[in-house]
Amino acid sequence: DVVMTQSPLSLPVTLGQPAAISCRSSRSLVYIDGNIYLNWFHQRPGQSPRRLIYKVFNRDSGVPDRFSGSGSGTDFTLKISRVEAEDVGVYFCMQGTHWPRSFGQGTKLEIK
Amino acid sequence: QVQLVQSGAEGKKPGASVKVSCKASGYTFSDYGFSWVRQAPGQGLEWMGWISAYNGHTNFAQKFQGRVTMTTEKSTSTAYMELRSLRSDDTAVYFCARDRPDALRFLELPDYWGQGTLVTVSS
Repeated sequence: DVVMTQSPLSLPVTLGQPAAISCRSSRSLVYIDGNIYLNWFHQRPGQSPRRLIYKVFNRDSGVPDRFSGSGSGTDFTLKISRVEAEDVGVYFCMQGTHWPRSFGQGTKLEIK
Repeated sequence: QVQLVQSGAEGKKPGASVKVSCKASGYTFSDYGFSWVRQAPGQGLEWMGWISAYNGHTNFAQKFQGRVTMTTEKSTSTAYMELRSLRSDDTAVYFCARDRPDALRFLELPDYWGQGTLVTVSS
């Protein structure tokens, strides 16, 4: 099974400052069609996850452009250019290239 | 708009079974599938398995093989997940999420999620 490893697991950030979360997979996430099926989700306390990014760098509808995704192969990054109060919560990466699906452990973003 | 509405919280004793429902609206039910994901208290997300509402195909995480059943009912646009032989460590919030209709299409999914169903297993 593909293991997804996120870092850091805790991320205190000052409002208006940038933030970055790393996600590494134990094997390449490049599918036979050439695409990489790596998603990022955001979960606020008591809520269900909301997808932010799909296929590494594609933002979902309504997601602010301060969120960006990048990466290739086995190394991926979610960046927030300027953290806002509504960005608190836990961020998860998820790979959809291989069965079974797998998630990173989650990164808890909080405001300093 | 796409909505997935799950059934309410359940309290079960060890050894019992639980069946969680997920009613979909806002899209053509049989054009997609569902993944089921659970989250133990204070923990991360754990993928349990997937079912296609298109052709009924399934794929389960090995951990749940033999203990989970996933079904869909097109007439009511509802997906179901049944977990048997419950243990205390099955206490979790269970989510359904809209997912791909088969192994080869819409691989960028899942996208929309249900609100979650808390299942508490305790004697």
